[in-house]
Amino acid sequence: DTGVSQNPRHKITKRGQNVTFRCDPISEHNRLYWYRQTLGQGPEFLTYFQNEAQLEKSRLLSDRFSAERPKGSFSTLEIQRTEQGDSAMYLCASSLGPQGGYEQYFGPGTRLTVT
Amino acid sequence: QKEVEQNSGPLSVPEGAIASLNCTYSDRGSQSFFWYRQYSGKSPELIMFIYSNGDKEDGRFTAQLNKASQYVSLLIRDSQPSDSATYLCAVKAGTALIFGKGTTLSVSS
Repeated sequence: DTGVSQNPRHKITKRGQNVTFRCDPISEHNRLYWYRQTLGQGPEFLTYFQNEAQLEKSRLLSDRFSAERPKGSFSTLEIQRTEQGDSAMYLCASSLGPQGGYEQYFGPGTRLTVT
Repeated sequence: QKEVEQNSGPLSVPEGAIASLNCTYSDRGSQSFFWYRQYSGKSPELIMFIYSNGDKEDGRFTAQLNKASQYVSLLIRDSQPSDSATYLCAVKAGTALIFGKGTTLSVSS
């Protein structure tokens, strides 16, 4: 059983550049979540997809952030015009949903450093 | 503002002892509760979930839920050095999880 995968694992970028991260959920999971975690904090919710529909977005998700899940499988998270405050671990999680349980399983994360 | 509170620690226990980790939450309507383990530099790993009042046991781990007191705990029996990590408590709020800041556990051999 393959877990959640994320690419790249690390990204270093200069302020003002755009970056895109990819997440591949567990194959039978139809719910996909993005979180952000900074040092010493728990993960903070960014957005959630049920299949291809983006159903919820946190106020943390500014206009510079966009997420897609075009065919209900993998998802991408793009950050435009990166700022130093965007430096964090970006975590993707997936779950079966109400029929199968609410447990969310995390991928290894993408660590973003903005210089 | 829904909140999840945990003592940051560190909680230090000797090898073989019971480690007790605690979590309180603010939303009385919360129904689903999760414990994740996170090693330094790694992502959170789900180790326990509990939806009903009472205790749930899985190997050396026991999760305890008291909805009236809005309190969740995790007991780790026969603690091992490999249990040294940060333990995150999470509460389901709508579809998202709200996390505490985590408690750092250190198990000394």
